[in-house]
Amino acid sequence: ELKVEQNPLFLSMQEGKNYTIYCNYSTTSDRLYWYRQDPGKSLESLFVLLSNGAVKQEGRLMASLDTKARLSTLHITAAVHDLSATYFCADSGSNYQLIWGAGTKLIIKP
Amino acid sequence: DARVTQTPRDKVTEMGQEVTMRCQPILGHNTVFWYRQTMMQGLELLAYFRNRAPLDDSGMPKDRFSAEMPDATLATLKIQPSEPRDSAVYFCASGKTSGTEQFFGPGTRLTVL
Repeated sequence: ELKVEQNPLFLSMQEGKNYTIYCNYSTTSDRLYWYRQDPGKSLESLFVLLSNGAVKQEGRLMASLDTKARLSTLHITAAVHDLSATYFCADSGSNYQLIWGAGTKLIIKP
Repeated sequence: DARVTQTPRDKVTEMGQEVTMRCQPILGHNTVFWYRQTMMQGLELLAYFRNRAPLDDSGMPKDRFSAEMPDATLATLKIQPSEPRDSAVYFCASGKTSGTEQFFGPGTRLTVL
């Protein structure tokens, strides 16, 4: 069964702290995607990771991909309230569709 | 600025009524997806098109849901008859090719009373 598991599913943290969201996938894919969804909004593409060892950074968010471990991470540095959202990872392991994780709801308290 | 568009943005209807949702994918994208999102079930894939041909609609209740792409600029999702359990946000997404980054529309929030 193709699956993508995110951990944790819910995270409440204080501003200024660092944390990591983990995304494990079951296929041999070398492409992994991260999306952000604000409450009541659509999904917005954050990062596209296209090969083993790929690292992408934007502001306080950094995503990486380890295809050997079938693991991607989304690291948050010195969190700020504006980063509160639900974060999804998706794997392109199927031949036509993305396999989605359940999402990690991140709440950052001032 | 190329975007996926969806209409209507909000729809409130009564049980038993027909609902049609429309999506305009990004020009040049050859894959179109319909998703449904609820608090309980999360994000579910309903149907998928490539080059306007339906390739997978296994996630869709066949007795009441139908999805079509009458042309490259329009995808439709129809529910007939609608039921309260169909209340959800329906997203359309498009992509350049299979298995690549998907770009989501703003969604249609459907409420069936």
